[in-house]
Amino acid sequence: DVKVTQSSRYLVKRTGEKVFLECVQDMDHENMFWYRQDPGLGLRLIYFSYDVKMKEKGDIPEGYSVSREKKERFSLILESASTNQTSMYLCASSTGFSGNTIYFGEGSWLTVV
Amino acid sequence: QKEVEQNSGPLSVPEGAIASLNCTYSDRGSQSFFWYRQYSGKSPELIMFIYSNGDKEDGRFTAQLNKASQYVSLLIRDSQPSDSATYLCALGDRDDKIIFGKGTRLHILP
Repeated sequence: DVKVTQSSRYLVKRTGEKVFLECVQDMDHENMFWYRQDPGLGLRLIYFSYDVKMKEKGDIPEGYSVSREKKERFSLILESASTNQTSMYLCASSTGFSGNTIYFGEGSWLTVV
Repeated sequence: QKEVEQNSGPLSVPEGAIASLNCTYSDRGSQSFFWYRQYSGKSPELIMFIYSNGDKEDGRFTAQLNKASQYVSLLIRDSQPSDSATYLCALGDRDDKIIFGKGTRLHILP
């Protein structure tokens, strides 16, 4: 089975803190994604990566950055957390061909106070 | 902007009946289509994917794709209370991105 692991399930951070969300997949997938999910807004793509050290902006990249130093690991960074970044963050991975299925981690619930 | 449209619901269906979930999309170049189920507080899990026009059946689930009309649907036969969830329609574009609709909440009435 594909395993996508998000190390932090529940976090509470203060406004202005730097936040790291880590994601690891064990299926040698080329593509990795970070989404956030908010009520009424659905899943929105923040960033995705199709290879090591490669990244592409999604629909809402502002306030976020990412890092992919190894194929299996994709990190989401909030340089200076704000209350409007309170959300559930979902990491996902997929193989690198068109039409591929993506698999999600369990999600990270971030509250910024 | 590529869009995936779903009725947000809730869609209420009696237990044992057929639940029909619909989705339309704007990008004619989309190649692949997916249905995910998401329980409250959980991450989405894949139910089915479909690439070709027509029907694809898997157990109680049938996905239907009509590329000419740009819609994809999911039928759930013999609906069970455990089918109550939010169903997300998604499509894969030519850049390997997966774009999601906002989901339809399905409620199966016991």
